[in-house]
Amino acid sequence: GEDVEQSLFLSVREGDSSVINCTYTDSSSTYLYWYKQEPGAGLQLLTYIFSNMDMKQDQRLTVLLNKKDKHLSLRIADTQTGDSAIYFCAEIHRDDKIIFGKGTRLHILP
Amino acid sequence: DVKVTQSSRYLVKRTGEKVFLECVQDMDHENMFWYRQDPGLGLRLIYFSYDVKMKEKGDIPEGYSVSREKKERFSLILESASTNQTSMYLCASSLTQGRYNEQFFGPGTRLTVL
Repeated sequence: GEDVEQSLFLSVREGDSSVINCTYTDSSSTYLYWYKQEPGAGLQLLTYIFSNMDMKQDQRLTVLLNKKDKHLSLRIADTQTGDSAIYFCAEIHRDDKIIFGKGTRLHILP
Repeated sequence: DVKVTQSSRYLVKRTGEKVFLECVQDMDHENMFWYRQDPGLGLRLIYFSYDVKMKEKGDIPEGYSVSREKKERFSLILESASTNQTSMYLCASSLTQGRYNEQFFGPGTRLTVL
């Protein structure tokens, strides 16, 4: 299908790890992205991974890419209240159009 | 830092009114985009522009038009606003050969059509 799929909601306890999963559609996508949208704000690029990589780590963030299954995940270690946001998975198609998923709302429990 | 600004954070209009949403970016980006964001539907592309006076339809252009007279400014126009156009509208910009094609977003305009 044409949709980038991700679950709409995730609830995690503060201090635990959060894992947000995404299934994308275009096996030729060169870049895959995770955008973060905090309440009342626009989207901001959180991290990205180039398609020839399997993993990318940046401080508390780990991105895993499984090209065979077209599966992308974002792991946030030691989740904090400031991580509460909507996280969008996105891919770039051959026509350079970026396709966004519907967003996963991450809710942090005390 | 790239800055994308939108003319209003909140807007309330009546059915049938003509509505202008303005977006300005200050980093000389060639590409500009208008999305609407609705709960459970994510971001949907309305229109985009790759150059001045150039526009392309996105996935949901019906009921909207756009104008790009200057490189830094991209306007979204609702010719006759309807209640189903109540939504959050997000503007974005990017460089054509930009670093991993990152899009930079404005803070959004929440439009309510009564």
